[in-house]
Amino acid sequence: GAVVSQHPSRVICKSGTSVKIECRSLDFQATTMFWYRQFPKQSLMLMATSNEGSKATYEQGVEKDKFLINHASLTLSTLTVTSAHPEDSSFYICSAKGLAGVTQETQYFGPGTRLLVL
Amino acid sequence: GQNIDQPTEMTATEGAIVQINCTYQTSGFNGLFWYQQHAGEAPTFLSYNVLDGLEEKGRFSSFLSRSKGYSYLLLKELQMKDSASYLCAVMDSNYQLIWGAGTKLIIKP
Repeated sequence: GAVVSQHPSRVICKSGTSVKIECRSLDFQATTMFWYRQFPKQSLMLMATSNEGSKATYEQGVEKDKFLINHASLTLSTLTVTSAHPEDSSFYICSAKGLAGVTQETQYFGPGTRLLVL
Repeated sequence: GQNIDQPTEMTATEGAIVQINCTYQTSGFNGLFWYQQHAGEAPTFLSYNVLDGLEEKGRFSSFLSRSKGYSYLLLKELQMKDSASYLCAVMDSNYQLIWGAGTKLIIKP
C-alpha cells in the first residue's frame, strides 16, 4: 500500500513553454501533497505544500506564479512550471500523506520527474 | 533555528555493519524518519521512530533517543545494493518535515 505515481517521468521542453507534472496517490486518499525539487548531488528542497481543496503554501523564495500547484482531488495534485527556463531543469518529486493508518504521518514519494529545459 | 546533522559520506565493506548517526535540534518533535535514496531516484521510506528505543526491520534497524536529540540507522550484512544516500528527517511541532542533507553510503566489495 501507499503508492504514489508521477507522470511524466522525464520531459524535455523548449525555453518559454509550460510543463505540467501530475502526482497521484494510487491506493490512499492524500489529504496533503508536497512538491520537492532536487538539483544534482544536493538535498531535497521543499517547494510547496498543498492540501486538498485549498491554496498551496509556498516556501520562501519559490515563485507561486511560476510554479502553479493544484490539488483538486484527494488523489491528484499537479505542478505546472510556467515559462520554463534552463535554470528550472531539475528533478521534481512529489510526496503524499493521508489521514489514516500508515500514511497518516509518513510521506510517501512518487518516482520523480526529470525536467530538462533547452 | 532548526538543524539536522548527519555525516556527508561513509564507506563500508560488503557483508559488514554500518551505523549512520543523525542529531537534531527542532522546535518540537513528532517523529523521526529515515529514507533511502538511490542516485537518480526518489526517496523510499525506511523507518519511523516516535518513541525511544530500537525498531528492527530485517537488516535495517533505527534507534531514537529523544532526550539526546539523536538517532541512528543500523544496516547489517551490507549488500552492494545498499549503496545510496540515507536521509534523516524530523517532524517538528507544526508537523513539518525538516530534512537532513543526507549521508552517502559507499559499499566496497
